[in-house]
Amino acid sequence: SQQGEEDPQALSIQEGENATMNCSYKTSINNLQWYRQNSGRGLVHLILIRSNEREKHSGRLRVTLDTSKKSSSLLITASRAADTASYFCATAPNDYKLSFGAGTTVTVRA
Amino acid sequence: EAQVTQNPRYLITVTGKKLTVTCSQNMNHEYMSWYRQDPGLGLRQIYYSMNVEVTDKGDVPEGYKVSRKEKRNFPLILESPSPNQTSLYFCASSRLGRENIQYFGAGTRLSVL
Repeated sequence: SQQGEEDPQALSIQEGENATMNCSYKTSINNLQWYRQNSGRGLVHLILIRSNEREKHSGRLRVTLDTSKKSSSLLITASRAADTASYFCATAPNDYKLSFGAGTTVTVRA
Repeated sequence: EAQVTQNPRYLITVTGKKLTVTCSQNMNHEYMSWYRQDPGLGLRQIYYSMNVEVTDKGDVPEGYKVSRKEKRNFPLILESPSPNQTSLYFCASSRLGRENIQYFGAGTRLSVL
């Protein structure tokens, strides 16, 4: 079943601006992950945040997790044209299950 | 190079004609999984395997079969494809106990006429 839901469904920003997308989920998790998918290609893992962590950074990515609200956010700073892609949150209730949301499509305009 | 390889990348077939989509990984991962991706629905898990000869149903297993005879291979079998199985399919693998960070193949776009 689809566990995570991303918001917004689509986002269009100017190059250099920040992009923020949110993910809400329903059940308890071990960790939450974000993946990127370029048009029609396979997903690529971006970042993982554990249930006992509140914030994590990786390059221009910043992820937050609020387990009390069952929500996470992904911030991409100083966006580039190459960031144009769909972004998915995936929740891991255990070591062998990963449930994906429907994704946020981000378009970065030059 | 570490990778998950799916074949074919594109496939057009007709209703009822059995087909197999192959998936192979070279990372010695225990865990492998198949997903289908449909517009607005994200990725939905079809089947997964935690090791050789160990497979289990995901969220949408109806109409699909899998096998795991070797650690590296995890084929997806459609015994009698129907038009509602037209979709984009992804195979993924991961190392168990490593927080299930998954590595994806490039995808197989299947059209069933």
